[in-house]
Amino acid sequence: QQQVKQSPQSLIVQKGGISIINCAYENTAFDYFPWYQQFPGKGPALLIAIRPDVSEKKEGRFTISFNKSAKQFSLHIMDSQPGDSATYFCAASMLGYSGGGADGLTFGKGTHLIIQP
Amino acid sequence: SAVISQKPSRDICQRGTSLTIQCQVDSQVTMMFWYRQQPGQSLTLIATANQGSEATYESGFVIDKFPISRPNLTFSTLTVSNMSPEDSSIYLCSVVFWEGSQDTQYFGPGTRLTVL
Repeated sequence: QQQVKQSPQSLIVQKGGISIINCAYENTAFDYFPWYQQFPGKGPALLIAIRPDVSEKKEGRFTISFNKSAKQFSLHIMDSQPGDSATYFCAASMLGYSGGGADGLTFGKGTHLIIQP
Repeated sequence: SAVISQKPSRDICQRGTSLTIQCQVDSQVTMMFWYRQQPGQSLTLIATANQGSEATYESGFVIDKFPISRPNLTFSTLTVSNMSPEDSSIYLCSVVFWEGSQDTQYFGPGTRLTVL
């Protein structure tokens, strides 16, 4: 599996601030870039995902920015709240657009996010 | 999305024994994956389990250690064989759904395994 590099490893943000987590990938065949949120003792929960044919996707307070030429994508959490404190993983895979043609995910190492009240 | 359940949710096992983890999905899915998450670490793909074919293992994982069954489109098992303390991890199954205009991948709650 090709590597996905995630930074920072840990992040502390004040309540109401913007949390930004960055990822870079190597394999240009990747076509699915999800972000997962994981709380202690729980499985990863899909937060938001993007395909390389769009440069930005927003769902509520969460935005993915995607730069295909730089092979980078980032997660922005607007108006960060203490309940957002969790570990965030970026990932990438080849899923295709036709359904059923998926590949396993390659994960970044994770970012431990703490939102201070 | 899908409801994915795993059994057991956690277990403590003795070295040298084996544990079979079950993954049940409330909808039929073609592709299912098994991942491992070692303590404080990220997730690593163990294998891809498609119904009707042999599981495909990633580098560093072998069938003798992690045999997988996929008897139908809603169920799979992963066995961790001849366990050692290094196998202490969270094991997660994951499925892919075709939603809207793309595939989406979801995870089960995980099985937390401790090997003594």
